[in-house]
Amino acid sequence: DQQVKQNSPSLSVQEGRISILNCDYTNSMFDYFLWYKKYPAEGPTFLISISSIKDKNEDGRFTVFLNKSAKHLSLHIVPSQPGDSAVYFCAANAFLIQGAQKLVFGQGTRLTINP
Amino acid sequence: KAGVTQTPRYLIKTRGQQVTLSCSPISGHRSVSWYQQTPGQGLQFLFEYFSETQRNKGNFPGRFSGRQFSNSRSEMNVSTLELGDSALYLCASSLGQGMNTEAFFGQGTRLTVV
Repeated sequence: DQQVKQNSPSLSVQEGRISILNCDYTNSMFDYFLWYKKYPAEGPTFLISISSIKDKNEDGRFTVFLNKSAKHLSLHIVPSQPGDSAVYFCAANAFLIQGAQKLVFGQGTRLTINP
Repeated sequence: KAGVTQTPRYLIKTRGQQVTLSCSPISGHRSVSWYQQTPGQGLQFLFEYFSETQRNKGNFPGRFSGRQFSNSRSEMNVSTLELGDSALYLCASSLGQGMNTEAFFGQGTRLTVV
């Protein structure tokens, strides 16, 4: 039962263009969403998050959009840079207990930025 | 500010043995959660500790256990190791209270069971 899905295993984007990574979820109890960037054999690096009470959050080149009715979120990276090449994970949390962590991760999307 | 520290970084164990992994969270963070990453299953939640108490648990067998100390440091133990336990084990720390608390991950411990 895949509660968080990233349907694109890989994505290739030209440097300077926009990268859009997508994520769908099925559990309506999820109320907090996070994006992580990961290199092989390293821990995930936190990028940006969004609460279910918002529909957009920006941090520099990164913007996350949340569409609750569609149970869909996306990460936009503008402009894309070669250093952005990595695997990106979408994660969801349900605050059944306030502050509690039980992240459910998608399978990841490998982003490659071409010069 | 120091990040999340996991030790050791690499470990090789024999089937049937047990192993203990350690995680020191970011200073001030009281929640420590553990995840297993394998190529087939992706990143899966093991358990979360807050103020020395297990607050959440994933769907792993009882061979996987953990604990948290008064200084918020956490250990994870796997007994009777199986070949399928080979994975990258990741620890994440967060404040553990209030809404919208991000989780920050350590570098992980790569466990190989032979």
